[in-house]
Order: sequence, then structure tokens, then C-alpha cells
Amino acid sequence: DVKVTQSSRYLVKRTGEKVFLECVQDMDHENMFWYRQDPGLGLRLIYFSYDVKMKEKGDIPEGYSVSREKKERFSLILESASTNQTSMYLCASSSSGRAGNEQFFGPGTRLTVL
Amino acid sequence: GQQLNQSPQSMFIQEGEDVSMNCTSSSIFNTWLWYKQDPGEGPVLLIALYKAGELTSNGRLTAQFGITRKDSFLNISASIPSDVGIYFCAGQKSPGGGADGLTFGKGTHLIIQP
Repeated sequence: DVKVTQSSRYLVKRTGEKVFLECVQDMDHENMFWYRQDPGLGLRLIYFSYDVKMKEKGDIPEGYSVSREKKERFSLILESASTNQTSMYLCASSSSGRAGNEQFFGPGTRLTVL
Repeated sequence: GQQLNQSPQSMFIQEGEDVSMNCTSSSIFNTWLWYKQDPGEGPVLLIALYKAGELTSNGRLTAQFGITRKDSFLNISASIPSDVGIYFCAGQKSPGGGADGLTFGKGTHLIIQP
């Protein structure tokens, strides 16, 4: 089974803090993704990566950056957290083969910024 | 980014009833996926569809990839209490293996009344 793990299930931070969200997958997937999920807005893509050190902006990259130094790990960074970044953050991964459109999600990190 | 039009937003049904939900788009997608999300958890992949007209089953779940490639539906037969949750459709425009993010519907919240 594909396993995607996220470093924290719940996180509370203060406005202006630098926040790191970590994601690790154990299936040797090439592609990794960060989404945020908000009520009434659904899931929206923040950033994705198709290889180590490669990154692409998604639909809402403002206020975020990412890092992919190793194939299995994809980090989302909030340089200076703001209250409008309070959300559920979901990491996903997929292979580059034919089934590469099947993304597997982690359990999510619920971030609250005070 | 574009979102898929998913309906209904919520369903209140009796245990044992069949359920039907659908997703439409103004654009063509090459892959349609259906996910289920339980409260506080990440989405879990239920069914993936890769060809127009394809009909795929997973236990009591059946999903179809519309002929026009602009829609998909999910049916659940003989619902049981553990079917409660939020069901999301998702589409991807790139062919299999593409490192594009998914476009999601806003979800159908399924509630089963005893």
C-alpha cells in the first residue's frame, strides 16, 4: 500500500512565524503535491514537484514556497504565516507511469494561525 | 483554477438506498477520479477512470467516464452506515503520468439516516 505521511496532524502557530509542513511517501513516486482544503472552496493546488529539486506553481502559490531535496520528501513552507493561511493542508504523491494520475493523499495537517 | 461542478452538494438517504452523484465540466479531462474523505482524514482513492465510456466497479461502487470526457458519475448501491463521508470527483487533463495537479469538485456530503 502507498503510504503518505505528514509530520503533524494539528499545528497552531502565530502570525509572522515561519512554518514547515513535511510530507514523506514510501512508494518511490516521482510526483508530489501540496493542496489546501477550505470549506466551500474544495481542494486547491499550491505547488507540485515532478522530480528532486524541481517545483511548479499550482493555482494558489502566493505566500508559500516548497523544497524537494530528496525524492521521498516534499516540504511546504509558509515564510511568514498569516491568519488567512489557516486551513487543512494535504500532501499527495503519484507515479510517473500510466497510473500517474492516481494521487494518494496523506492524512492532512490542520494548521491554525492565530 | 477551474473547478468541477459536482452535484448534489449533500444527500440525506436511508440505509439500503442507492446513491448517485455526478460531476461536469466545460473542459475535457483525460482522467476522472473519485475519492472519499472521512472527517479529519485525507481523501482516499475509490475509482480511477482512463477511457471515455469506461464503466468501472469497486464493490458496491460503480463509476463511469462520460463519452464527451466532460463528465463522470458515481453510484453507490445498497448504502451502509460506513458510506457516510464526503465524496469528491477529480479530473486531470494530462495523459497518464503527467505531473499536473488534480482539479476537484466541491464534494457531495453523504448522510445516512438510520
